[in-house]
Amino acid sequence: GQSLEQPSEVTAVEGAIVQINCTYQTSGFYGLSWYQQHDGGAPTFLSYNALDGLEETGRFSSFLSRSDSYGYLLLQELQMKDSASYFCAPNNAGNMLTFGGGTRLMVKP
Amino acid sequence: GAGVSQSPSNKVTEKGKDVELRCDPISGHTALYWYRQSLGQGLEFLIYFQGNSAPDKSGLPSDRFSAERTGGSVSTLTIQRTQQEDSAVYLCASSLDSSRGELFFGEGSRLTVL
Repeated sequence: GQSLEQPSEVTAVEGAIVQINCTYQTSGFYGLSWYQQHDGGAPTFLSYNALDGLEETGRFSSFLSRSDSYGYLLLQELQMKDSASYFCAPNNAGNMLTFGGGTRLMVKP
Repeated sequence: GAGVSQSPSNKVTEKGKDVELRCDPISGHTALYWYRQSLGQGLEFLIYFQGNSAPDKSGLPSDRFSAERTGGSVSTLTIQRTQQEDSAVYLCASSLDSSRGELFFGEGSRLTVL
């Protein structure tokens, strides 16, 4: 079967670093995507890991370990505008992206 | 268009009525996805199109839900005999190369069933 686990909520202060973990179980795994969604807005693509290791895009980095079925999103130098929900989405055979419940990040001053 | 366009943005209907939601993907995007999101919840996969065909319809919640895509472009999601539990935001996304896991989402259609 398929399963996806992320923390439901994370709180951090402005300027800090936060890591959002994701563990998944899916058949025919191709890679792991991360999306950001502000309240009332549409999800927007952040990053994609097809291979093991770290991908860096500005303040955001994403990591994947295929052998552990695990990934994380690392947000550095947190800003108030980073308050949003973050979703990991495994890409499985057939190019179906499965989204979980997401992690609600609250950044405090 | 510049992005994925969905209509209507808001729809209020009475229980038992049929509704049709439309998605106009980014030009040239061959893959099209429908998701449903209830308030404060995650995204529930409904259906995926590659061109005009839907390899995976397993996410459709019941036989009241159907979707089609014509000309490899516009897609419609139809909900027959709507129920209150159908109330949600219905999100459409398209992708040029879904193997990269990069989907472009529309702003969604908010459906309220009274």
